[in-house]
Amino acid sequence: AQTVTQSQPEMSVQEAETVTLSCTYDTSESDYYLFWYKQPPSRQMILVIRQEAYKQQNATENRFSVNFQKAAKSFSLKISDSQLGDAAMYFCAYRSANGGGADGLTFGKGTHLIIQP
Amino acid sequence: DGGITQSPKYLFRKEGQNVTLSCEQNLNHDAMYWYRQDPGQGLRLIYYSQIVNDFQKGDIAEGYSVSREKKESFPLTVTSAQKNPTAFYLCASVGWGLLNQPQHFGDGTRLSIL
Repeated sequence: AQTVTQSQPEMSVQEAETVTLSCTYDTSESDYYLFWYKQPPSRQMILVIRQEAYKQQNATENRFSVNFQKAAKSFSLKISDSQLGDAAMYFCAYRSANGGGADGLTFGKGTHLIIQP
Repeated sequence: DGGITQSPKYLFRKEGQNVTLSCEQNLNHDAMYWYRQDPGQGLRLIYYSQIVNDFQKGDIAEGYSVSREKKESFPLTVTSAQKNPTAFYLCASVGWGLLNQPQHFGDGTRLSIL
């Protein structure tokens, strides 16, 4: 079974600065997908960014980028120019590419990101 | 607009009572999922269904049951055997074959014990 570990229960950053959230995972599979989801106080789950394990290039979405280190099984999220609206719980998630990609997600316990004005 | 609708938003359960949480999607997605979220924990998979009339247990299926009679609907029943049902429940879906696509989530149902 796969596991996902987020070692930072809480992080705090000044507005406009850069913050990196850590995620490591354990798997014996070679093909899989990784996701970062944001959960604001409204409890909605919002996709931030995704990465296919077979792609060496790190994914980027505007101010959000990842550092994907497949050999180290690490998938960190970097948020640049932090904004007050970025304050939320952030979850790292893993999905196997087996089973047609329809298996459920395995989530980490989350990192609570605080933005200081 | 396409999306996932969960109802009700809040639900209360009495001792010994079964309750059913509704999840409906109009995204024409094949696969649907139920997750449970407790404070300080990430989401944990309860059940999932890849096609109509078929479903599989997730990591914490005990005390729960599901059905998948229609492609767009995947209700979750929390039975009296689930001794600690207080949690936030999220339903999700994804299209078959869309391997790199993220799961879409509903807005959740908060279940509490009376």
